This record gives sequence, structure tokens and C-alpha cells, in this order.
Amino acid sequence: AQSVTQPDIHITVSEGASLELRCNYSYGATPYLFWYVQSPGQGLQLLLKYFSGDTLVQGIKGFEAEFKRSQSSFNLRKPSVHWSDAAEYFCAVGTGFQKLVFGTGTRLLVSP
Amino acid sequence: DADVTQTPRNRITKTGKRIMLECSQTKGHDRMYWYRQDPGLGLRLIYYSFDVKDINKGEISDGYSVSRQAQAKFSLSLESAIPNQTALYFCATSDSVDYQNIQYFGAGTRLSVL
Repeated sequence: AQSVTQPDIHITVSEGASLELRCNYSYGATPYLFWYVQSPGQGLQLLLKYFSGDTLVQGIKGFEAEFKRSQSSFNLRKPSVHWSDAAEYFCAVGTGFQKLVFGTGTRLLVSP
Repeated sequence: DADVTQTPRNRITKTGKRIMLECSQTKGHDRMYWYRQDPGLGLRLIYYSFDVKDINKGEISDGYSVSRQAQAKFSLSLESAIPNQTALYFCATSDSVDYQNIQYFGAGTRLSVL
């Protein structure tokens, strides 16, 4: 069965520091991979996606992610975090029949 | 106005009550989904519908039912609410012509069952 693991429940980063959120997936075929962000009181917003081609994908708000097939990973990165980036981040894998399987999420806290 | 609208945004109900959560969309998408979010568990799929005549169970459908009244409307019902159905519920939509199947989410309904 398809699954997504986000090993970090919480991460605290200082404002201006770099960020990396980890995501590992299990899927037998070539995955469709997504990162969504959920700001407090809001729904989920798509940050970026990977389907094929260049393994480094750029998203909105200055985020990027790198697909590494050998490690079954799709980690999210940002070079300099802003206080407004504090939110919960979800990694997801697209499966057969076009469903999404989500990870358990990582809550990002940004300290001054 | 939001493309995917969920009503109500917050609801408190009592054990045993019937409750309906509604979702409407103006994106013109044919696919709609209901998820629940619990702390530490992420989002789990309850039901999904690929068109008006197509309804499918997700991984946690027990205790829930749905109705696809029109392409733009997809309702989730709890026939007899129980406390462990307290959660944040999300509706999402996608377009079958989009091979990437990007899903677009509503703002969520926070449900508390006492």
C-alpha cells in the first residue's frame, strides 16, 4: 500500500534560517508527489508538485523540493524562512485512481 | 468568493444527532472528496466522487454517508454522531482532465461531538 512518512512532528527554525522538511514515500510506480501548506484556520494550499522531468521543482513562496528516487524522498526546502511561513506542511503521494495519500504533517514554528 | 466553500465552518453537536456538512464549488470540477484531519494522523479520505453518479468509499467511511446532489455540491452526513468523529473536515475538488489531479481544498469545517 502507498504511504507517506513525515518523521518530524514539529520543527522550530529561527527567522532567516534555512529550512528542510523531510518526506519519504512508499509507492510501487513512478509517484506523483505534492507538498501542501495549511496556515492556521485555512484550508490546504498547494506549494509545489512533481510528476516527471527535473527532479528539483520550484513552488510558490520561495519553496523548492527535490525528488530522489533512490531514497524515496521528496524533501521541502527554503533558504530563508519568514515568520509568515509558520504553518503545518503536508506531503502527499498520488496513487492509482487519482487519490492522494497524505503524510501526518510537520508543524513549523518560526522563532524571532 | 472562495472556489470551494464549506458550511458550516464550525459546528458543535451532541452524541446521537444527525449532522450534515456541505461543500459547494465554482471551479467546474467533476471530482470531489471528503477528508478528515486529526492531530498526528494527517488527512484521511472518507469518500470521493468522480462524477454525479459515481460515489466511492475511502479508507475511513464507516459512520459516514455522502450525497452528490449536483456536480458542484457534495455533502457529508453523520447519521448518528459520536465523540470520536470530532475532527476537522475538508472538502476538495479536482478536474479529471487534469492528469496531474491537483486537488483544491475548502477552508474546513471544525466539528465537535459532545
